[in-house]
Amino acid sequence: SAVISQKPSRDICQRGTSLTIQCQVDSQVTMMFWYRQQPGQSLTLIATANQGSEATYESGFVIDKFPISRPNLTFSTLTVSNMSPEDSSIYLCSVDGVDTGFGYEQYFGPGTRLTVT
Amino acid sequence: EDKVVQSPLSLVVHEGDTVTLNCSYEVTNFRSLLWYKQEKKAPTFLFMLTSSGIEKKSGRLSSILDKKELFSILNITATQTGDSAIYLCAVSSGSARQLTFGSGTQLTVLP
Repeated sequence: SAVISQKPSRDICQRGTSLTIQCQVDSQVTMMFWYRQQPGQSLTLIATANQGSEATYESGFVIDKFPISRPNLTFSTLTVSNMSPEDSSIYLCSVDGVDTGFGYEQYFGPGTRLTVT
Repeated sequence: EDKVVQSPLSLVVHEGDTVTLNCSYEVTNFRSLLWYKQEKKAPTFLFMLTSSGIEKKSGRLSSILDKKELFSILNITATQTGDSAIYLCAVSSGSARQLTFGSGTQLTVLP
């Protein structure tokens, strides 16, 4: 499976500011995914990031609030803009692993715990 | 809209007990079902199931899928305190490669 790292591991930010989260993979991958996990909740997909094209956002998530970059096949960033306390969550990036022919095993990075005060 | 429902939401057992976690789904064009263990932040991949009736096994953990009844179970035998975690079920459908997650089962194993 791919080795995925995320930076920062955690941060405490003031409302109105922005934070950029980095995701690095040790091998080239076509698609990277960004998820959010609010306290006590399950994972919700924010967007899918393909290298060389605009990210595809899920319903309820917009580019102005969560701009994503995907400059190459091993790296992506997610920015949480103009933060409010409701943005306090764990943010996770994930990548496809083995293609089984029926779908991809998907692996997750270690996550970024964001607290907005 | 794809839907994944897990039960129970939480479970407290003692070491040595056997537990069964449930996951039911309603998706269009099902492809696969995945189980993850989440202890702190990162979900750790456990199993991927694509065919009915074929058990996947890893140590004390096993899982099986029923595509007719649209559910999967995750069994953990001889539980240990280290099994305490949130267990997440997720489904992949259609041509999309993203996952739809259930709400998770919080398992607590007491010594």
